[in-house]
Amino acid sequence: DGGITQSPKYLFRKEGQNVTLSCEQNLNHDAMYWYRQDPGQGLRLIYYSQIVNDFQKGDIAEGYSVSREKKESFPLTVTSAQKNPTAFYLCASSIPGFWQPQHFGDGTRLSIL
Amino acid sequence: QQPVQSPQAVILREGEDAVINCSSSKALYSVHWYRQKHGEAPVFLMILLKGGEQKGHEKISASFNEKKQQSSLYLTASQLSYSGTYFCGTEGGNDMRFGAGTRLTVKP
Repeated sequence: DGGITQSPKYLFRKEGQNVTLSCEQNLNHDAMYWYRQDPGQGLRLIYYSQIVNDFQKGDIAEGYSVSREKKESFPLTVTSAQKNPTAFYLCASSIPGFWQPQHFGDGTRLSIL
Repeated sequence: QQPVQSPQAVILREGEDAVINCSSSKALYSVHWYRQKHGEAPVFLMILLKGGEQKGHEKISASFNEKKQQSSLYLTASQLSYSGTYFCGTEGGNDMRFGAGTRLTVKP
């Protein structure tokens, strides 16, 4: 079955550590996205990539970094510069274009120890 | 600018109807609706394009008024499986913004 796999499901980070969230898709989609979800707020776009080896900042990119070396993979690194990283992180993919429906992974919940 | 959804939460009995509204302050090209159950991925429900298009399947339908920059989601004869948080996503050409969500609870 085609879909998006995010791992791990739960992640704990110590102060000052960088952590990387994995996102893999086998839907053959060119576009991939990372969102942050906080209680009572909508999904906020961190980074997106419409094609391999290219990515763009979203609304809240500060403290995060991404890479897009393969079509199937779009890992997100939460750096120590992100002062409030505790949140639910969702990865999505689609055919290129913001008007296209997005398919989401099950998410990773990141907490600070 | 994130779209504004209303109401924030609604509780229904099985078989009752509900309307969820989504309003944007900017011109829209399309509106998307998603449903997310607790701890799960949001699932795409439908997309509405410019032109006042109305879409739906079975007992869930939606409308899009591009002049008013508003969309509404209609749930008819709600079922227990409809429970979850509904998000609208508004597309302004080169971005997608999501509302804060409407939590829908359907009780027996």
